Amino acid sequence: DAGITQSPRYKITETGRQVTLMCHQTWSHSYMFWYRQDLGHGLRLIYYSAAADITDKGEVPDGYVVSRSKTENFPLTLESATRSQTSVYFCASSEAAGGSGNEQFFGPGTRLTVL
Amino acid sequence: KQEVTQIPAALSVPEGENLVLNCSFTDSAIYNLQWFRQDPGKGLTSLLLIQSSQREQTSGRLNASLDKSSGRSTLYIAASQPGDSATYLCAGANNNNDMRFGAGTRLTVKP
Repeated sequence: DAGITQSPRYKITETGRQVTLMCHQTWSHSYMFWYRQDLGHGLRLIYYSAAADITDKGEVPDGYVVSRSKTENFPLTLESATRSQTSVYFCASSEAAGGSGNEQFFGPGTRLTVL
Repeated sequence: KQEVTQIPAALSVPEGENLVLNCSFTDSAIYNLQWFRQDPGKGLTSLLLIQSSQREQTSGRLNASLDKSSGRSTLYIAASQPGDSATYLCAGANNNNDMRFGAGTRLTVKP
């Protein structure tokens, strides 16, 4: 199906483990984004990517790593998970070609719990 | 750094009422402002995007306005329905890459 998908939808892990959250989009959008949503903080940008092999930090990048070898995929890795990384993670994409191309479209989210 | 505020945090209205949701932002050099809807446990659905050169956008029963000089945006919902119940988020971007979100307004439309 066309659109933006995330996997897994739910994940429970333990402190110190490495976790990778996957994001895949079928629109060939140039820009992709990772956000986390927490009560009291709203949505905050973790990392974004303007194109394959181009990534940059957002507001809260510490403890996370991203890569983008293909336009359609943008995985987010927690190298050593901490309890403070328990959150709902959203991936988004946009054409960012100017005008209406800046509209961001979101995936369904991954609920991550770190014990 | 753009900061976005939404007041009230929650709003309850009877079905059929017209209503306005408010969004304030601190930096008038805003690039665009986007309104989203989020249902419990779900992702965000884009409702309307207003570019900095625009004053408003309309989609069906929804109308969003943007006033950069006052740092405000409003989302007007006409003839509200119970299916409109959700959390509404606004987000302002100063460039392509840095979008800042408000905390949202949780709307309940009572039958």
